[in-house]
Amino acid sequence: DAGVTQSPTHLIKTRGQQVTLRCSPKSGHDTVSWYQQALGQGPQFIFQYYEEEERQRGNFPDRFSGHQFPNYSSELNVNALLLGDSALYLCASSLRTGETTFFGQGTRLTVV
Amino acid sequence: KQEVTQIPAALSVPEGENLVLNCSFTDSAIYNLQWFRQDPGKGLTSLLLIQSSQREQTSGRLNASLDKSSGRSTLYIAASQPGDSATYLCAVRARGNTGKLIFGQGTTLQVKP
Repeated sequence: DAGVTQSPTHLIKTRGQQVTLRCSPKSGHDTVSWYQQALGQGPQFIFQYYEEEERQRGNFPDRFSGHQFPNYSSELNVNALLLGDSALYLCASSLRTGETTFFGQGTRLTVV
Repeated sequence: KQEVTQIPAALSVPEGENLVLNCSFTDSAIYNLQWFRQDPGKGLTSLLLIQSSQREQTSGRLNASLDKSSGRSTLYIAASQPGDSATYLCAVRARGNTGKLIFGQGTTLQVKP
Protein backbone atom coordinates (compact mmCIF):
# COMPACT_ATOMS: atom_id res chain seq x y z
CA ASP A 1 0.00 0.00 0.00
CA ALA A 2 1.58 3.26 -1.16
CA GLY A 3 -0.37 5.34 1.31
CA VAL A 4 -1.41 8.86 0.34
CA THR A 5 0.60 10.16 -2.61
CA GLN A 6 0.84 13.76 -3.78
CA SER A 7 2.35 15.39 -6.82
CA PRO A 8 4.37 17.39 -7.44
CA THR A 9 6.56 17.59 -4.34
CA HIS A 10 7.77 21.11 -5.06
CA LEU A 11 6.43 23.88 -7.26
CA ILE A 12 7.40 27.46 -7.97
CA LYS A 13 4.80 29.77 -9.49
CA THR A 14 4.56 33.46 -10.29
CA ARG A 15 2.03 35.72 -8.61
CA GLY A 16 -1.24 35.72 -10.57
CA GLN A 17 -0.73 32.28 -12.08
CA GLN A 18 -2.86 29.22 -11.48
CA VAL A 19 -1.74 25.90 -9.98
CA THR A 20 -3.11 22.35 -9.75
CA LEU A 21 -2.00 19.90 -7.08
CA ARG A 22 -2.86 16.21 -7.18
CA CYS A 23 -3.54 13.54 -4.59
CA SER A 24 -4.22 9.81 -4.57
CA PRO A 25 -5.75 8.56 -1.33
CA LYS A 26 -4.74 5.50 0.64
CA SER A 27 -6.22 2.33 -0.80
CA GLY A 28 -9.77 1.80 0.46
CA HIS A 29 -10.30 5.40 1.56
CA ASP A 30 -13.21 7.33 0.11
CA THR A 31 -12.75 10.78 1.64
CA VAL A 32 -10.07 13.31 0.71
CA SER A 33 -9.32 16.54 2.54
CA TRP A 34 -6.85 19.31 1.76
CA TYR A 35 -4.92 21.38 4.28
CA GLN A 36 -2.64 24.39 4.02
CA GLN A 37 0.31 24.62 6.39
CA ALA A 38 2.24 27.86 6.68
CA LEU A 39 5.73 27.75 8.12
CA GLY A 40 5.68 27.20 11.87
CA GLN A 41 1.91 26.75 12.01
CA GLY A 42 -0.47 23.83 12.28
CA PRO A 43 -2.34 22.72 9.14
CA GLN A 44 -5.51 24.65 8.29
CA PHE A 45 -8.48 22.85 6.71
CA ILE A 46 -9.31 23.95 3.16
CA PHE A 47 -12.05 21.52 2.10
CA GLN A 48 -13.17 17.91 2.02
CA TYR A 49 -14.45 15.77 -0.84
CA TYR A 50 -16.62 12.69 -0.63
CA GLU A 51 -18.55 11.03 -3.46
CA GLU A 52 -17.12 13.61 -5.86
CA GLU A 53 -18.72 16.52 -4.01
CA GLU A 54 -17.33 19.19 -1.72
CA ARG A 55 -18.79 18.35 1.68
CA GLN A 56 -17.12 20.87 3.96
CA ARG A 57 -15.13 24.00 3.44
CA GLY A 58 -12.82 25.97 5.68
CA ASN A 59 -12.25 29.71 5.69
CA PHE A 60 -10.59 29.96 2.28
CA PRO A 61 -11.57 32.19 -0.67
CA ASP A 62 -13.20 30.92 -3.84
CA ARG A 63 -9.79 31.06 -5.54
CA PHE A 64 -9.32 27.66 -3.93
CA SER A 65 -11.32 24.95 -5.65
CA GLY A 66 -11.13 21.22 -5.95
CA HIS A 67 -12.36 18.10 -7.56
CA GLN A 68 -12.68 14.43 -6.72
CA PHE A 69 -12.68 11.77 -9.40
CA PRO A 70 -14.57 8.44 -9.45
CA ASN A 71 -11.39 6.64 -8.36
CA TYR A 72 -11.34 8.90 -5.24
CA SER A 73 -8.25 10.82 -6.33
CA SER A 74 -8.45 14.58 -5.98
CA GLU A 75 -7.11 17.86 -7.27
CA LEU A 76 -6.67 21.20 -5.57
CA ASN A 77 -6.71 24.26 -7.81
CA VAL A 78 -5.64 27.73 -6.78
CA ASN A 79 -6.26 30.68 -9.10
CA ALA A 80 -4.72 34.16 -9.10
CA LEU A 81 -1.88 33.12 -6.82
CA LEU A 82 -0.78 35.49 -4.09
CA LEU A 83 2.55 35.57 -2.29
CA GLY A 84 0.65 34.53 0.83
CA ASP A 85 -0.39 31.26 -0.82
CA SER A 86 3.17 30.01 -0.38
CA ALA A 87 2.86 27.04 1.96
CA LEU A 88 2.97 23.27 2.29
CA TYR A 89 -0.25 21.78 0.92
CA LEU A 90 -1.21 18.50 2.52
CA CYS A 91 -3.67 15.94 1.26
CA ALA A 92 -5.34 13.67 3.80
CA SER A 93 -7.46 10.59 3.28
CA SER A 94 -9.79 8.69 5.56
CA LEU A 95 -12.97 6.68 5.59
CA ARG A 96 -16.24 8.60 5.79
CA THR A 97 -16.67 7.22 9.32
CA GLY A 98 -13.93 9.57 10.45
CA GLU A 99 -11.36 7.16 11.80
CA THR A 100 -7.60 7.47 11.46
CA THR A 101 -6.58 10.12 8.96
CA PHE A 102 -3.48 9.60 6.86
CA PHE A 103 -1.50 12.38 5.21
CA GLY A 104 0.65 12.58 2.13
CA GLN A 105 4.14 14.04 2.06
CA GLY A 106 2.83 17.38 0.87
CA THR A 107 3.46 19.77 -2.01
CA ARG A 108 5.66 22.75 -1.22
CA LEU A 109 4.29 25.70 -3.21
CA THR A 110 6.38 28.84 -3.52
CA VAL A 111 4.83 31.91 -5.12
CA VAL A 112 7.31 34.55 -6.32
CA LYS B 1 -15.46 27.59 17.95
CA GLN B 2 -13.01 24.80 18.71
CA GLU B 3 -9.47 25.93 19.43
CA VAL B 4 -6.48 23.67 20.04
CA THR B 5 -3.39 24.80 21.92
CA GLN B 6 -0.08 23.05 22.40
CA ILE B 7 2.38 24.06 25.06
CA PRO B 8 5.33 24.37 25.01
CA ALA B 9 6.05 25.47 21.43
CA ALA B 10 9.55 24.00 21.68
CA LEU B 11 11.31 21.58 23.98
CA SER B 12 14.91 20.40 24.22
CA VAL B 13 15.83 17.40 26.36
CA PRO B 14 18.83 15.06 26.77
CA GLU B 15 18.59 11.57 25.37
CA GLY B 16 16.95 9.04 27.67
CA GLU B 17 14.60 11.44 29.38
CA ASN B 18 10.87 10.72 29.69
CA LEU B 19 8.77 13.65 28.53
CA VAL B 20 5.19 14.86 28.22
CA LEU B 21 3.71 16.99 25.47
CA ASN B 22 0.48 18.82 26.19
CA CYS B 23 -2.56 19.55 24.06
CA SER B 24 -5.66 21.42 25.19
CA PHE B 25 -8.95 22.05 23.40
CA THR B 26 -11.82 24.39 24.19
CA ASP B 27 -14.87 22.27 23.23
CA SER B 28 -15.16 18.85 24.86
CA ALA B 29 -17.63 17.62 22.22
CA ILE B 30 -15.03 15.80 20.17
CA TYR B 31 -15.30 12.64 18.06
CA ASN B 32 -11.67 11.68 18.45
CA LEU B 33 -8.17 13.10 18.90
CA GLN B 34 -5.11 12.18 16.90
CA TRP B 35 -1.41 12.77 17.51
CA PHE B 36 0.92 13.24 14.55
CA ARG B 37 4.63 13.57 14.01
CA GLN B 38 6.08 15.86 11.34
CA ASP B 39 9.70 15.90 10.25
CA PRO B 40 10.97 19.19 8.71
CA GLY B 41 9.39 19.86 5.34
CA LYS B 42 7.57 16.54 5.34
CA GLY B 43 4.02 15.30 5.69
CA LEU B 44 2.32 14.12 8.86
CA THR B 45 2.73 10.63 10.27
CA SER B 46 -0.10 9.36 12.46
CA LEU B 47 1.10 8.20 15.88
CA LEU B 48 -2.00 7.50 17.94
CA LEU B 49 -5.77 7.92 17.66
CA ILE B 50 -7.94 8.16 20.77
CA GLN B 51 -11.68 7.83 20.44
CA SER B 52 -13.85 10.08 22.60
CA SER B 53 -14.89 7.07 24.70
CA GLN B 54 -11.28 6.07 25.43
CA ARG B 55 -8.91 7.33 28.11
CA GLU B 56 -5.60 6.33 26.56
CA GLN B 57 -3.79 4.58 23.76
CA THR B 58 -0.30 3.09 23.68
CA SER B 59 2.12 2.29 20.89
CA GLY B 60 5.64 1.25 21.81
CA ARG B 61 7.30 4.05 23.78
CA LEU B 62 4.34 6.37 23.18
CA ASN B 63 1.29 6.75 25.38
CA ALA B 64 -1.49 9.25 24.74
CA SER B 65 -4.19 10.10 27.25
CA LEU B 66 -7.46 11.95 26.86
CA ASP B 67 -9.50 13.83 29.47
CA LYS B 68 -12.50 15.32 27.67
CA SER B 69 -13.95 16.95 30.75
CA SER B 70 -10.87 19.10 31.23
CA GLY B 71 -10.21 19.47 27.50
CA ARG B 72 -6.74 17.95 27.66
CA SER B 73 -4.61 15.31 26.04
CA THR B 74 -1.01 14.39 26.76
CA LEU B 75 1.54 12.49 24.72
CA TYR B 76 4.07 10.68 26.88
CA ILE B 77 7.36 9.63 25.26
CA ALA B 78 9.45 7.20 27.27
CA ALA B 79 13.23 6.97 27.07
CA SER B 80 13.55 9.64 24.38
CA GLN B 81 16.01 9.15 21.50
CA PRO B 82 17.58 11.60 19.02
CA GLY B 83 15.38 10.03 16.33
CA ASP B 84 12.34 11.33 18.20
CA SER B 85 13.35 14.89 17.26
CA ALA B 86 10.44 16.31 15.23
CA THR B 87 7.35 18.48 15.54
CA TYR B 88 4.42 16.82 17.29
CA LEU B 89 0.91 17.95 16.41
CA CYS B 90 -2.40 17.10 18.01
CA ALA B 91 -5.69 17.41 16.15
CA VAL B 92 -9.30 17.01 17.22
CA ARG B 93 -12.24 15.94 15.11
CA ALA B 94 -15.51 17.46 16.30
CA ARG B 95 -18.38 15.17 17.28
CA GLY B 96 -20.85 14.82 14.40
CA ASN B 97 -18.28 16.19 12.04
CA THR B 98 -16.64 13.40 10.13
CA GLY B 99 -14.27 15.55 8.21
CA LYS B 100 -12.36 18.47 9.51
CA LEU B 101 -9.38 18.10 11.82
CA ILE B 102 -8.50 21.12 13.93
CA PHE B 103 -4.81 21.30 14.73
CA GLY B 104 -2.69 22.87 17.38
CA GLN B 105 0.46 24.70 16.33
CA GLY B 106 2.67 21.87 17.43
CA THR B 107 5.55 21.27 19.82
CA THR B 108 9.01 21.05 18.27
CA LEU B 109 11.08 18.52 20.16
CA GLN B 110 14.85 18.25 20.09
CA VAL B 111 16.47 15.27 21.79
CA LYS B 112 20.18 15.80 22.28
CA PRO B 113 22.60 12.83 22.22
